[in-house]
Amino acid sequence: KDQVFQPSTVASSEGAVVEIFCNHSVSNAYNFFWYLHFPGCAPRLLVKGSKPSQQGRYNMTYERFSSSLLILQVREADAAVYYCAFPCAWGSQGNLIFGKGTKLSVKP
Amino acid sequence: GAGVSQSPSNKVTEKGKDVELRCDPISGHTALYWYRQRLGQGLEFLIYFQGNSAPDKSGLPSDRFSAERTGESVSTLTIQRTQQEDSAVYLCASSLPPRTYEQYFGPGTRLTVT
Repeated sequence: KDQVFQPSTVASSEGAVVEIFCNHSVSNAYNFFWYLHFPGCAPRLLVKGSKPSQQGRYNMTYERFSSSLLILQVREADAAVYYCAFPCAWGSQGNLIFGKGTKLSVKP
Repeated sequence: GAGVSQSPSNKVTEKGKDVELRCDPISGHTALYWYRQRLGQGLEFLIYFQGNSAPDKSGLPSDRFSAERTGESVSTLTIQRTQQEDSAVYLCASSLPPRTYEQYFGPGTRLTVT
């Protein structure tokens, strides 16, 4: 049963601001995590938190059941799969539930 | 320092054979996770270790799947009697409590069952 929802694809052009949206249906989740995955490489954590935050060109918005990842001045090299994730239960021992990922394509 | 490593990077096996996939977490990371990513799909949680014990095995898809962890280091994911639907990239991640959710991933093992 799907609990995390994010678009399967997002297209953009170089220099634009890209927004990737995610929402979930789990009442006791309290944090969002955004991971970046280049196929063939290890996924890595971009931003996280329970409030809006910024890490370089990556901004994260936060609301109770949704979050957006904003990528500023997007580049062709940003083309990858972006996953949102959140802890599966309050006080969980560490399991994250991942969305199915959003594949970002960037036109020059 | 060294990140999470996995071996082999690629594995092709015949249907019905058993396979073992290995994960070496970051030194000192007590938490270890296995995920599966089928073609075109997202990350699917399989199993989680805290130390040697596996408090959450809820994601293992069948009894053909098992995993163990030695000490607080190497973990092995074993798939018995492989089926074609087991073809996927198997990713391992580790983390260090209390920052448990900051998971560091390995590059994965691509398993192809023919």
